[in-house]
Amino acid sequence: DTGVSQNPRHKITKRGQNVTFRCDPISEHNRLYWYRQTLGQGPEFLTYFQNEAQLEKSRLLSDRFSAERPKGSFSTLEIQRTEQGDSAMYLCASSIEAGVYGYTFGSGTRLTVV
Amino acid sequence: TQLLEQSPQFLSIQEGENLTVYCNSSSVFSSLQWYRQEPGEGPVLLVTVVTGGEVKKLKRLTFQFGDARKDSSLHITAAQPGDTGLYLCAGAPTGAGSYQLTFGKGTKLSVIP
Repeated sequence: DTGVSQNPRHKITKRGQNVTFRCDPISEHNRLYWYRQTLGQGPEFLTYFQNEAQLEKSRLLSDRFSAERPKGSFSTLEIQRTEQGDSAMYLCASSIEAGVYGYTFGSGTRLTVV
Repeated sequence: TQLLEQSPQFLSIQEGENLTVYCNSSSVFSSLQWYRQEPGEGPVLLVTVVTGGEVKKLKRLTFQFGDARKDSSLHITAAQPGDTGLYLCAGAPTGAGSYQLTFGKGTKLSVIP
């Protein structure tokens, strides 16, 4: 297993367009998290899945954001009608336990909205 | 809302020097984790401390969790250029129902050869 994989690594989109990111976690990890990181800040929690169930969502996750994890494997994060403020690094992480002992993060998807 | 404050925000030192980075909060955490992040990459877990007063050593890095489980420190001995990066602390909440880690803003370390 090569760790948590995220695609694409970089995405440039025009304001108003929809974008979708994919995350493939470590296969034996049943917990998956999405975080967002802007320049000069630490990662901020967006949402959490245990298997296919989305158990927690941050207030940061507006109605333009939706995440899925069909069959408890890979996950997708979609942003509709992108805004310039959505420009950030979107990080996916997975773990066996519920975060207490640490996550394995992917390399992230850098989104730039122009 | 749980907040973690890291200090200093920026640190530039010469190779071979020692340094300490601090992570403080008014909230109690079930665990504190330290990550190192390089530009354009995701954070990489260095260590997790769980017990109040716990000290863990990872080669030249020493991590300590405060007795009250509200703060932590990272000490690096004889820093090397390869230690350069953004050091993030993250706290896991106590109690059931929330799984989100709270991250500090990080300490950006530059080790000059």
